[in-house]
Amino acid sequence: AQSVTQLGSHVSVSEGALVLLRCNYSSSVPPYLFWYVQYPNQGLQLLLKYTSAATLVKGINGFEAEFKKSETSFHLTKPSAHMSDAAEYFCAVRRSQGNLIFGKGTKLSVKP
Amino acid sequence: EPEVTQTPSHQVTQMGQEVILRCVPISNHLYFYWYRQILGQKVEFLVSFYNNEISEKSEIFDDQFSVERPDGSNFTLKIRSTKLEDSAMYFCASSNPITGGYTFGSGTRLTVV
Repeated sequence: AQSVTQLGSHVSVSEGALVLLRCNYSSSVPPYLFWYVQYPNQGLQLLLKYTSAATLVKGINGFEAEFKKSETSFHLTKPSAHMSDAAEYFCAVRRSQGNLIFGKGTKLSVKP
Repeated sequence: EPEVTQTPSHQVTQMGQEVILRCVPISNHLYFYWYRQILGQKVEFLVSFYNNEISEKSEIFDDQFSVERPDGSNFTLKIRSTKLEDSAMYFCASSNPITGGYTFGSGTRLTVV
């Protein structure tokens, strides 16, 4: 069965610092993995997705994620945080039946 | 960029009433989904729909819930006899497994009072 674990329910970084949000997955089949961002009182916006092509996936707003099969990880990074990056971030894995299993989310705060 | 459209964006209903949440999926997508996010919690899968029938449902999706695709474009979630604990954000999504596209709507915030 597929599952997702996001380490750290809350991450705080300074503006301009590296952002690293951790996601580990469990899947018995090659996974499709997603990162979504949710701003307060808004919907889920797709940041990027891994669908078994290149292991380094570039997304919107300067984010990228690297699929590491040996570590069963799909961590999200951004070299330099911006105040507008403050939001909640969800990692998800797609089940073979098609629905997504979400992690519990990581709330990112960016300090000036 | 094609979008999944959900209406209404907010709905307040009295306990015991029925509500219908509406969604227009992306036109070339084949699979449709409803998810729920209770305030401060993670997003949970409710049901998936393919070829005009439910393909999978979670344990949350009990007899209180139903889904329908009444025409070629709309996809609805009906909640009968709403309870306080049904208050949540409800997201519709659609996907095309060939392209890998998986798009969420902006959600309907349901408040049961």
